[in-house]
Amino acid sequence: NAGVMQNPRHLVRRRGQEARLRCSPMKGHSHVYWYRQLPEEGLKFMVYLQKENIIDESGMPKERFSAEFPKEGPSILRIQQVVRGDSAAYFCASSSTQGNEQYFGPGTRLTVT
Amino acid sequence: DQQVKQNSPSLSVQEGRISILNCDYTNSMFDYFLWYKKYPAEGPTFLISISSIKDKNEDGRFTVFLNKSAKHLSLHIVPSQPGDSAVYFCAASALEGAGKSTFGDGTTLTVKP
Repeated sequence: NAGVMQNPRHLVRRRGQEARLRCSPMKGHSHVYWYRQLPEEGLKFMVYLQKENIIDESGMPKERFSAEFPKEGPSILRIQQVVRGDSAAYFCASSSTQGNEQYFGPGTRLTVT
Repeated sequence: DQQVKQNSPSLSVQEGRISILNCDYTNSMFDYFLWYKKYPAEGPTFLISISSIKDKNEDGRFTVFLNKSAKHLSLHIVPSQPGDSAVYFCAASALEGAGKSTFGDGTTLTVKP
């Protein structure tokens, strides 16, 4: 399966812990996007990355959240000192060319207890 | 400020009839529009798109119409099938921008047998 892979699918963290979400884009895709979906809401853009570069992080909270897409390996969305409001589904998407359709992974459902 | 709006949270139609899902946008910089379909516990999947240079794009049972002057697009599904029951997200992007897509909050379509 050459689709977008995300892991873990489910992640439970206590308040104050760190959460690391991983995303492997489709083969041949060099653009990665992270979105967050809160219950009963749509997908909210967080960050757009290319290899080793953050292109647009206008949707990222200013504190505790960071993202990277290293030259080798998956893209990582890191949330430090999680709070209950961080509980959501986090989706990663990839595309081959800026502006084209994005292919989504199955999401990581983060629950903060 | 929600730039992409799907004003109907839900829509119910009879199998075999037409489903029409609507979407409005406010940002005149958007020039590429997409529809995604999402089943529970899965990531969104790309359905159909349209560039701003067109006013219609058709793919099988799915047709997207774009009215640039009204900043409105719609997705027509005909004939509707029970398997079409899902959440449908409208998304818009600016090709000259960073490649991110701005999503609406979704419309839940239920097709009754």
